[in-house]
Amino acid sequence: GENVGLHLPTLSVQEGDNSIINCAYSNSASDYFIWYKQESGKGPQFIIDIRSNMDKRQGQRVTVLLNKTVKHLSLQIAATQPGDSAVYFCAEIGTNAGKSTFGDGTTLTVKP
Amino acid sequence: DTEVTQTPKHLVMGMTNKKSLKCEQHMGHRAMYWYKQKAKKPPELMFVYSYEKLSINESVPSRFSPECPNSSLLNLHLHALQPEDSALYLCASSQDFPGAQVSEQYFGPGTRLTVT
Repeated sequence: GENVGLHLPTLSVQEGDNSIINCAYSNSASDYFIWYKQESGKGPQFIIDIRSNMDKRQGQRVTVLLNKTVKHLSLQIAATQPGDSAVYFCAEIGTNAGKSTFGDGTTLTVKP
Repeated sequence: DTEVTQTPKHLVMGMTNKKSLKCEQHMGHRAMYWYKQKAKKPPELMFVYSYEKLSINESVPSRFSPECPNSSLLNLHLHALQPEDSALYLCASSQDFPGAQVSEQYFGPGTRLTVT
């Protein structure tokens, strides 16, 4: 679709549908990437990570895709549930270990 | 125990006050972090401690003073703050580096700071 690869600040999906959240990163030297979920009033919570020597990694209901050529990261959530409603951030960590940079978040709203 | 705790949860302080934020973890992590997060924005890195030594200071104003008294504790001392410093302050920890692969950070719930 026309939104593939595009970062959206908000995303609204129907319960049971699949969600795709996109992120562009800036530093080609970054070698570790993390997706975090942040619910209202809480700190970010780790969802899934991927290292730069991989292009895909799967977890439980989530998949992260890494395209180093265009410096793009995506998070796919299968069978989205109301409990998935939150703000999602990608983070890139470079060779200067510990220095992580967060991307702009995407607010996911799941409609029952 | 995979929890990072932060106290207090909420803090209101005047511009002439001195206060401290506290963070604690018992996961044996040797890297600890302070982030600042404004509403509807991503967390911004402020400081990184590695083995109780300050390794990264992201050009943070001196009115913020971090301290790592031991491997489990991280403090952020606040003095003469400005209203624009009002934000959510997040603490995080991760497995040690250098030498180890960089790994995920575990975040605390944050301290909601309001400067009046």
